[in-house]
Amino acid sequence: SAVISQKPSRDICQRGTSLTIQCQVDSQVTMMFWYRQQPGQSLTLIATANQGSEATYESGFVIDKFPISRPNLTFSTLTVSNMSPEDSSIYLCSVETGQGGEKLFFGSGTQLSVL
Amino acid sequence: DAKTTQPPSMDCAEGRAANLPCNHSTISGNEYVYWYRQIHSQGPQYIIHGLKNNETNEMASLIITEDRKSSTLILPHATLRDTAVYYCTLTGRSYQKVTFGTGTKLQVIP
Repeated sequence: SAVISQKPSRDICQRGTSLTIQCQVDSQVTMMFWYRQQPGQSLTLIATANQGSEATYESGFVIDKFPISRPNLTFSTLTVSNMSPEDSSIYLCSVETGQGGEKLFFGSGTQLSVL
Repeated sequence: DAKTTQPPSMDCAEGRAANLPCNHSTISGNEYVYWYRQIHSQGPQYIIHGLKNNETNEMASLIITEDRKSSTLILPHATLRDTAVYYCTLTGRSYQKVTFGTGTKLQVIP
């Protein structure tokens, strides 16, 4: 299993500013994933982050808007840049331990409101 | 695009079995069926997974049809705490991204 600590748990931000979300895992993991969940919607994958390489972004998401860092095997950050009200969502960090079962473990999420 | 389809919502009486269906008619041979649930305002939680055999754990049972084109998650004795959105997903080998469909919102009724 994996225990994921995600910070902040919630924030209210002004339009045009940026917020960096941190994800800390209690064990080393190869793959980390960032998801967005808009109000009342399902989870949408933003990007996959591997240690030591550039993140791989899904269609509709770009690095300039959602830069990701993955400095080591237990930590990652997602920045939401130049925010607008449309960025108001829950952002979730997820990991796959790859230890014989490919299940995902999720952080508790960051609830972001942009005014 | 999500590769699974689920009914948007279901109700279940407390204490009764909740049977949540999932259609995955385009599943490939190396893909597992995974189920997660998301209780309001929390991150999704893993429930169970299977390849082709039926599976059971302390939380639920998973029934996969012989042709693997559909599956059913069974919560044997639903409680109010099982009220959540349940997601059925397909996952291949390790380190592949997981796409979530719209899920089923299960409401357990007292």
